[in-house]
Amino acid sequence: ETGVTQTPRHLVMGMTNKKSLKCEQHLGHNAMYWYKQSAKKPLELMFVYNFKEQTENNSVPSRFSPECPNSSHLFLHLHTLQPEDSALYLCASSQDGAEGETQYFGPGTRLLVL
Amino acid sequence: AQSVTQPDIHITVSEGASLELRCNYSYGATPYLFWYVQSPGQGLQLLLKYFSGDTLVQGIKGFEAEFKRSQSSFNLRKPSVHWSDAAEYFCAVSPAGGTSYGKLTFGQGTILTVHP
Repeated sequence: ETGVTQTPRHLVMGMTNKKSLKCEQHLGHNAMYWYKQSAKKPLELMFVYNFKEQTENNSVPSRFSPECPNSSHLFLHLHTLQPEDSALYLCASSQDGAEGETQYFGPGTRLLVL
Repeated sequence: AQSVTQPDIHITVSEGASLELRCNYSYGATPYLFWYVQSPGQGLQLLLKYFSGDTLVQGIKGFEAEFKRSQSSFNLRKPSVHWSDAAEYFCAVSPAGGTSYGKLTFGQGTILTVHP
């Protein structure tokens, strides 16, 4: 595997379900990000992890819970979501202090909440 | 706060025609500037980036962008568009230092349609 991978690529869940999104980066980076991309809206930064520590939480509802067990893996745990949470969730990674912290993105997980 | 404006929501060009996608930013200093492309159902792919130096930067797939400080612009260009360039294009900026270092702000995106 190369670059940034995300699984699953598509997910359908009910409002009472619990699911998790997984992101893995194979670039040796030490910072990882979750973004939400909804139709007709700019990409929204949700969470930032730097050296496994959460450094940013952009007022994201508690039904989204991130986890970063190491610098290569990032999870987004989902529970009791709402239909408006349906979106493309993108993961990205960057190297602190290098390339102007250029972010490299995964293919995304398309989430549909019924 | 920094902001990015892509004035054109949708652009249509004919294959082989030239292309320019506009991007204007608002920031107190010169930020780092990026263009990304997103094909349907895919993530964002980095086309090019500007940090400093030569204001004309070359990217992948034959794209280039020019940073104009006086106009706070970073327009993306391609001399001859191919049908495979049809996608959505995002301009993004990040501060070149400080506590917000590395945090990207994206424009709304420009959807490019290419006619044969």
